[in-house]
Amino acid sequence: NAGVTQTPKFQVLKTGQSMTLQCAQDMNHNSMYWYRQDPGMGLRLIYYSASEGTTDKGEVPNGYNVSRLNKREFSLRLESAAPSQTSVYFCASSSLGEGSYEQYFGPGTRLTVT
Amino acid sequence: AQTVTQSQPEMSVQEAETVTLSCTYDTSESDYYLFWYKQPPSRQMILVIRQEAYKQQNATENRFSVNFQKAAKSFSLKISDSQLGDAAMYFCAYRSAWGYTGANSKLTFGKGITLSVRP
Repeated sequence: NAGVTQTPKFQVLKTGQSMTLQCAQDMNHNSMYWYRQDPGMGLRLIYYSASEGTTDKGEVPNGYNVSRLNKREFSLRLESAAPSQTSVYFCASSSLGEGSYEQYFGPGTRLTVT
Repeated sequence: AQTVTQSQPEMSVQEAETVTLSCTYDTSESDYYLFWYKQPPSRQMILVIRQEAYKQQNATENRFSVNFQKAAKSFSLKISDSQLGDAAMYFCAYRSAWGYTGANSKLTFGKGITLSVRP
């Protein structure tokens, strides 16, 4: 049981390049999330997917797109990377329903845009 | 919208002593969950402790306990017998308890506090 996995762990992009961050969970969770972590800012929600086939914007969605490929996978795409997107990106998942509280996090991706 | 405030960016504690990390939040909801997450240098987010707002009893997990003051909207974390492995960034987080949709299961985080442990 791997939990939440993310690839890659590190990435360096040049301004204007595109890339997709991959996330997968094997806990049969309904909901998945993408956060970014910046120094002094905590974690901020970019996009989330309540269930397979649905996605919604979070607090900081500009410059990103997401795809909920199936129940297991939720990808984050940067179409034209900017230095302001230099950050650590976390994927998380959670179940829904009574008694379900916790979000489980992946190991994060450190992205640098030069 | 809910907000979570951690006003102390850094704290330090001597090994084996006790430290308290502060967190306040603002919400108009009556039912919600509060969490403390630990992020060590490995970057992995680890759930430390959880508190349900409808429970009056403060949550405890081994050396970690909370002081939950619902009226004051305060949720502090006490670490007893501090160990070198407790050195990390700690985040306070809020989650609505209303409904079971993805929107209500979002976490709102504070900015975090960096805890160092002196040997």
